[in-house]
Amino acid sequence: AQSVTQPDIHITVSEGASLELRCNYSYGATPYLFWYVQSPGQGLQLLLKYFSGDTLVQGIKGFEAEFKRSQSSFNLRKPSVHWSDAAEYFCAVGASNTGKLIFGQGTTLQVKP
Amino acid sequence: DAGVTQSPTHLIKTRGQQVTLRCSPKSGHDTVSWYQQALGQGPQFIFQYYEEEERQRGNFPDRFSGHQFPNYSSELNVNALLLGDSALYLCASSLYSETGPHGYTFGSGTRLTVV
Repeated sequence: AQSVTQPDIHITVSEGASLELRCNYSYGATPYLFWYVQSPGQGLQLLLKYFSGDTLVQGIKGFEAEFKRSQSSFNLRKPSVHWSDAAEYFCAVGASNTGKLIFGQGTTLQVKP
Repeated sequence: DAGVTQSPTHLIKTRGQQVTLRCSPKSGHDTVSWYQQALGQGPQFIFQYYEEEERQRGNFPDRFSGHQFPNYSSELNVNALLLGDSALYLCASSLYSETGPHGYTFGSGTRLTVV
């Protein structure tokens, strides 16, 4: 079955500290992978996406993610977190021949001053 | 350049009623997908419309139906509302492509509360 798992429901980091949000997927075909961010009461904003090529992808707001096929993972990282990064983060997977995305449950990021 | 516009932003309905949610895609986009996001959950795919036809459907009952108009805007209709239909309904637009879900742009959603 196709699925996305975000093991950490809630993460708290101090401002300026590094961040890593985990994402594991189960998908039969070559996956298209995405990270989205959602602020309270808002829609989803795309942070970055991976389709092929270099397994380390750069996104907006200083985020990056690394695709590891052997581990079925696509973890999101940021070297130094800002208070404005506090939000809900969703990992998603899709296929090359469909517009459907499968989302994880999300990770809530809290940033301590 | 307008992004995806959804209306209304909030809505309260009674069990058993019917509701219609609306979505105008981003300029230049021709495909609209709808997602349901229950509180504390990730979005779940409802269906996708392209060329005024439903192209894909997720695991949702027939109470959920949709429509796409010639100007690419779309409606989501839910009949016989249940308490469990309370959620944030997100619309995403894109350019139709057989090479994957490129370039999704999401709207801010419609918060539906069923009482």
